[in-house]
Amino acid sequence: GQNIDQPTEMTATEGAIVQINCTYQTSGFNGLFWYQQHAGEAPTFLSYNVLDGLEEKGRFSSFLSRSKGYSYLLLKELQMKDSASYLCAVRDGETGANNLFFGTGTRLTVIP
Amino acid sequence: EPEVTQTPSHQVTQMGQEVILRCVPISNHLYFYWYRQILGQKVEFLVSFYNNEISEKSEIFDDQFSVERPDGSNFTLKIRSTKLEDSAMYFCASRNNEQFFGPGTRLTVL
Repeated sequence: GQNIDQPTEMTATEGAIVQINCTYQTSGFNGLFWYQQHAGEAPTFLSYNVLDGLEEKGRFSSFLSRSKGYSYLLLKELQMKDSASYLCAVRDGETGANNLFFGTGTRLTVIP
Repeated sequence: EPEVTQTPSHQVTQMGQEVILRCVPISNHLYFYWYRQILGQKVEFLVSFYNNEISEKSEIFDDQFSVERPDGSNFTLKIRSTKLEDSAMYFCASRNNEQFFGPGTRLTVL
């Protein structure tokens, strides 16, 4: 089975940096994904880690430690449009289809 | 840029009725998925589909649910007899490497 934990809500100021943490337990880890989801819309892909370390993609970075079952998403130079839910998802490699299992999401509110 | 499409965007139905939700995955993708998200809750895996058959299904995907790839482009989710608790957003996704999600169908069961 899978167990994925992330904070429910966070608030940060425009222009600041925010770190959203995710811890997971899974039997067949095959990668960790971060998605952004605005209310009423589909999740959109942000980043993917399968090896330990930091992946940087513009204002967004994601870190993975497989031994600790831990990841974080770092958002820099926050903008108002970054207000959204951020979903941590683990890919299960035990099945050939590599299904994604999602955490409950962290609702980020960016304030002026 | 290719994208996953879904129709309809919103479906309203009476309890006990059958619904079919339609998806067109990205054309060169091999793996297809259905997820659902009840309002205010997390995205939940329903079923994965590869090589014209179900790869895996979750506990949610009971006998009332079925999937089909009737032709080379469409991928459908059928709910045979809808219940109130089936009201949710249903997302289709496809992948070769990373998964891309469609815009979703909001199903409302009255």
